[in-house]
Amino acid sequence: AQKVTQAQTEISVVEKEDVTLDCVYETRDTTYYLFWYKQPPSGELVFLIRRNSFDEQNEISGRYSWNFQKSTSSFNFTITASQVVDSAVYFCALSEPTSYGKLTFGQGTILTVHP
Amino acid sequence: DSGVTQTPKHLITATGQRVTLRCSPRSGDLSVYWYQQSLDQGLQFLIQYYNGEERAKGNILERFSAQQFPDLHSELNLSSLELGDSALYFCASSVGDPSYEQYFGPGTRLTVT
Repeated sequence: AQKVTQAQTEISVVEKEDVTLDCVYETRDTTYYLFWYKQPPSGELVFLIRRNSFDEQNEISGRYSWNFQKSTSSFNFTITASQVVDSAVYFCALSEPTSYGKLTFGQGTILTVHP
Repeated sequence: DSGVTQTPKHLITATGQRVTLRCSPRSGDLSVYWYQQSLDQGLQFLIQYYNGEERAKGNILERFSAQQFPDLHSELNLSSLELGDSALYFCASSVGDPSYEQYFGPGTRLTVT
């Protein structure tokens, strides 16, 4: 069965600090897909990134970067030079082709960036 | 704006009642997913439709049902409502391939009193 664990329930940082959100997943499939979503205070879920199990390259998008390590079943998300607008709940999610793409979400990490 | 629309945005109703939540997917997307977000259960997958046909079911109660119409919009019907059904209900759409990301609507906040 698929499972996603985000051990950090809440993180609080001061603006301009770097912060890493951890995500550990479990799956029996060799092909799977990992995602990060952001849920700002307004409530909508915003897609950030998708990564497939065969692509372990790290990715950088502006201040955001993602580190995918199959050896440790982790897909961590780092925000560099955090800003107040980064305050949100961040969800890591997993999907498998055998489950028709349904997303299994972690519990979410509440990130608060203080000015 | 994800391109996925959901109505209504808020819904307040009494126990025992029935409600219908509506979702229109992004243009070109064939697959619709429904999720429930509550404080105790987190984000849970309910059901998926692809081009009008049910494809996968998750933790969906028997009191809940859904369908996807020929124009690809979807409705989630919740009946015999209980206090515990109060939650944020999201619809998401994708092209249908599991490797593609899902785009979420703004959600419908259901409050059962």
